[in-house]
Amino acid sequence: KAGVTQTPRYLIKTRGQQVTLSCSPISGHRSVSWYQQTPGQGLQFLFEYFSETQRNKGNFPGRFSGRQFSNSRSEMNVSTLELGDSALYLCASAREGRGRDTQYFGPGTRLTVL
Amino acid sequence: AQTVTQSQPEMSVQEAETVTLSCTYDTSESDYYLFWYKQPPSRQMILVIRQEAYKQQNATENRFSVNFQKAAKSFSLKISDSQLGDAAMYFCAYNRGSTLGRLYFGRGTQLTVWP
Repeated sequence: KAGVTQTPRYLIKTRGQQVTLSCSPISGHRSVSWYQQTPGQGLQFLFEYFSETQRNKGNFPGRFSGRQFSNSRSEMNVSTLELGDSALYLCASAREGRGRDTQYFGPGTRLTVL
Repeated sequence: AQTVTQSQPEMSVQEAETVTLSCTYDTSESDYYLFWYKQPPSRQMILVIRQEAYKQQNATENRFSVNFQKAAKSFSLKISDSQLGDAAMYFCAYNRGSTLGRLYFGRGTQLTVWP
């Protein structure tokens, strides 16, 4: 079974631009979560989607948004990029997204904001 | 709020030896799950082992085992017969069982394996 895939793997943007990251979950998984990883803050939860609905959200500004499609693929959008948004963005998929479900991670998208 | 603490930013071990990585967590929940993930230089987060809080038996996966002390809220990872490929950042993570999945991570332990 194919793992979680994320595209693109690397992105370079400038301040003020917006960016869209994509995540395709493992086949049969309906929950997709997004995490931001930085050296300073570590791994932080952004949001989780299930059946095209955002069920859970972390403490990030409204510039960070996402959506999920009917095939469970998810996109994350960051508008008006700031230097501090430079990070590794990880996507994880799970069957139902309940606490008992193991989350499986993609390879990440490395975003650099100049 | 749930917090996960990894008190060892760095650890090192000789190849073929055993090493233990520490993790403590804080929660008022009774139903939860604990995980160890490994992140090698490729940055891919890989599941190493998982433990259900309601199970008293410690989880084991080949050379990896945990020491789960529920009362002490401690969840350490033991790596036996360490291999060069075990070198990575290791993250301890917590997930509440009763609600929607959201992993809380520790800050990680960088493991170096010496030949």
